[in-house]
Amino acid sequence: GENVEQHPSTLSVQEGDSAVIKCTYSDSASNYFPWYKQELGKRPQLIIDIRSNVGEKKDQRIAVTLNKTAKHFSLHITETQPEDSAVYFCAASTGYSTLTFGKGTMLLVSP
Amino acid sequence: ETGVTQTPRHLVMGMTNKKSLKCEQHLGHNAMYWYKQSAKKPLELMFVYNFKEQTENNSVPSRFSPECPNSSHLFLHLHTLQPEDSALYLCASSLNRGLDGELFFGEGSRLTVL
Repeated sequence: GENVEQHPSTLSVQEGDSAVIKCTYSDSASNYFPWYKQELGKRPQLIIDIRSNVGEKKDQRIAVTLNKTAKHFSLHITETQPEDSAVYFCAASTGYSTLTFGKGTMLLVSP
Repeated sequence: ETGVTQTPRHLVMGMTNKKSLKCEQHLGHNAMYWYKQSAKKPLELMFVYNFKEQTENNSVPSRFSPECPNSSHLFLHLHTLQPEDSALYLCASSLNRGLDGELFFGEGSRLTVL
């Protein structure tokens, strides 16, 4: 089955800095890669996703890049703000399988 | 409000108790899921239901028993649990199983087993 590795497990940045979270996957058939954000005590929510026919996708301050050859994808957050503090989960699926999640990255943005 | 509601939000039970977690969605979705979230672990998929039929059981111990009477409701029946079963149990739904469907999560039920 699919295996998703996520790094780092914790990331601390100063407000205004950029943050990058990286994930690798094992199943070359995977073609859908969403990112979920879970604020403390709240439910995970989808923030951005990318499909294998696209190399990069942006939505305001967040972007996701995908390297199919290397089987890794990354979440980029620019101009971080304290409200970006949360746990971020990457995931992968083949489109016909249930999502496999990474272990999560706790992002702490200090004012 | 994402439309996925879980009750109870918190539950404390002894190892010999029997309790149930409830999940309800009003999004018109056909697939529902139970996930277990423990500290420092990924979201662990437990069960998947698609059109009321169980399609995945991720090697979950029999002390966890799911029930899906219709596409809008999902239960997780708990009996003779162990302390290591203490975790946040998240219900989710999606329009269809797989097929790149966004998961909509509930707030979760925080379970403590004494």
